[in-house]
Parts: sequence; structure tokens; C-alpha cells
Amino acid sequence: DIQMTQSPSSLSASVGDRVIISCRASQDIGTYLNWYQQKPGRAPKLLISAASSLQSGVPSRFSGSGSGTDFSLTIASLPTEDFATYYCQHSFTIPPAFGGGTKIEIK
Amino acid sequence: EVQLVEAGGGLVQPGGSLRLSCAASGFNFGDYAMHWVRQTPGKGLEWVSGVSWNSGSIHSADSVKGRFTISRDNAKNSLYLQMNSLRPEDTAMYYCTKDIGRQLLPTFDSWGQGTLVTVSS
Repeated sequence: DIQMTQSPSSLSASVGDRVIISCRASQDIGTYLNWYQQKPGRAPKLLISAASSLQSGVPSRFSGSGSGTDFSLTIASLPTEDFATYYCQHSFTIPPAFGGGTKIEIK
Repeated sequence: EVQLVEAGGGLVQPGGSLRLSCAASGFNFGDYAMHWVRQTPGKGLEWVSGVSWNSGSIHSADSVKGRFTISRDNAKNSLYLQMNSLRPEDTAMYYCTKDIGRQLLPTFDSWGQGTLVTVSS
């Protein structure tokens, strides 16, 4: 099975900061990589699919890049509402797998 | 608007059974694959099982194979998860999720609010 590793597991940031989260797959997954945002007490929400395709309604401050084994999620300028936990997930094969998450906290 | 509403969670003893259900609305249920994904504080997010639009393709995680069975009823716009031989490590929030296409892709573009399953004596 393919394993997904995210880094960092948590980070402290200020409103307006540019934030980059990394995700690494244990083998080549092409661009079969999705990103989700989860706020406390809520279900995850799909932000980006196929490594870089922004979902409808998701603000353009979010962007995704990468292919193969290394991927990143960038938030261009962090507003208050984006303090949350972010997960990557591969959709290359069954079983799909999620990364361990990156929690963005207020500095 | 897509809505997925789970039900059937609760407290059950080890070795017991539960049947989760998910009522779907706001989209043509029969045109999409569906999945169950669970979440625990310790293990994070874990895909459990998925079923294609016509139930022609069904897959489950090794951790639940032989114990959990996913099914769907397109006439009732409903997804199910029959969970048998439950173990304490099955304790989690269980989410019903919608895939982006008919086959198992698996990209989860809509999620329910979740139903909590607790396995404990």
C-alpha cells in the first residue's frame, strides 16, 4: 500500500502569512493527489483534486503543485478562517490513504 | 445542494454489530460511487470501504475485510455499512462520502456530518 507523509505536523502562523505544506508519497502517484481542509467539529472539505485543480467555490489563495512523489499546498495569505487542519490523500489506487495532517495554529 | 446524513452509530460491545446508513439528497445518487471514511484522534483519517455506482465494484480496507460490508440501494438513495465482529479499534467517527464519478476514483467531494461508533465493554 502507498503511504502518505505530511510535513510539518503542525505550524504556527500569523494572519497574512504565506504557508506551504508538504506531502510525500511512498511511490510515484502521478498527480493523483487531493487536499482537504478540516475545521474542529466539522467534516473534511475537498479543496484541491488532481494535485492542482481547485474545487468550485474554493478561494484562489489556495494552490497545489507537484507530481510523482512530492506535492505541496500553498495558502498565499492566511486569513483567520484558514486556521484548520489540512490533509493530503492519494487516489492512485485502492486503498486510498491520507497523510497524518498539518494543523495550522495562530501564532 | 448535496446532503449526506448518516445514522446508526452508538455504543456497542466488542464482538457486536451495527448497521450504519447514509441518506443522500441533492444529486443523482445512482450516478456516483460512494465510500465510508472513518476518523480517530490516534490514527487520523482512514478509508474503510467503497462501492461503485451500480455495486459492480466493491473494495474494503484490509482492517475491516471479512467483518464490514458496504452496500447501496439506488432506489432509496441510501448507502449502508454493516459492521460485524466489532473491535475497540473500530471506535471512530464514520463519514459517508461521495466520489466524483461512477467508478471508485476515489476523490471525496462531499461528506456527511459523521456518526460516532464506540466499541467498548
